[in-house]
Amino acid sequence: DIQMTQSPSSVSASVGDRVTITCRASQDIRGWLAWYQHKPGKAPNLLISATNTLQTGVPSRFSGSRSGTDFTLTISGLQPEDFATYYCQQAKVSPDTFGQGTKVESK
Amino acid sequence: EVQLVESGGGLVQPGGSLRLSCEASGFNIGSHWMSWVRQTPGKGLEWVANINEDASSKDYVGAVKGRFTVSRDNAKNTLYLQLNSLGAEDSALYYCARTAGSTRGLDCWGQGTLVTVSS
Repeated sequence: DIQMTQSPSSVSASVGDRVTITCRASQDIRGWLAWYQHKPGKAPNLLISATNTLQTGVPSRFSGSRSGTDFTLTISGLQPEDFATYYCQQAKVSPDTFGQGTKVESK
Repeated sequence: EVQLVESGGGLVQPGGSLRLSCEASGFNIGSHWMSWVRQTPGKGLEWVANINEDASSKDYVGAVKGRFTVSRDNAKNTLYLQLNSLGAEDSALYYCARTAGSTRGLDCWGQGTLVTVSS
């Protein structure tokens, strides 16, 4: 199975900060990577698919990029509603696998 | 409104079985791959299984192969997950999700149904 190594596991940040989360795939997954936001008691929400395709309704402060097997989610200008846990997921090869998650907390 | 609603979770003894259901509204599941994802208490998300549009292709994470079965009834617009030989490690909140066609992201999720395996 493809392993997704996500870092950091948590980050403390303030409103307005730029936050970067990284996922590294254990093998080539081309661009088949998605990012989700998950808040307690709610369903996960797809933010970005296929590396950098922003879902309808997702603010433009969220962006995704790729360099080889390294993928990055960037939040440019953190907002209060962005405090949550973020997961990456590879969809190149079944079984799909998620990263371990990154909790974005208030500093 | 596009919606997924899971049901069928509950408390079950080790070795027991459950059948989870996921009823869709606002779209036709027959046009989509569908998936099950679980979240164990205090831990992250784990992809469990998926099934293609006509049920001719199914896949599972290794930890559930041979014990869980995913199925669908497109006429009822409903997805299922049969859970057998349950162990404590299967205790989790189980979500169903729709796969977006071209980008393969999971673009619609239910609220989840809780499975607790305990004696």
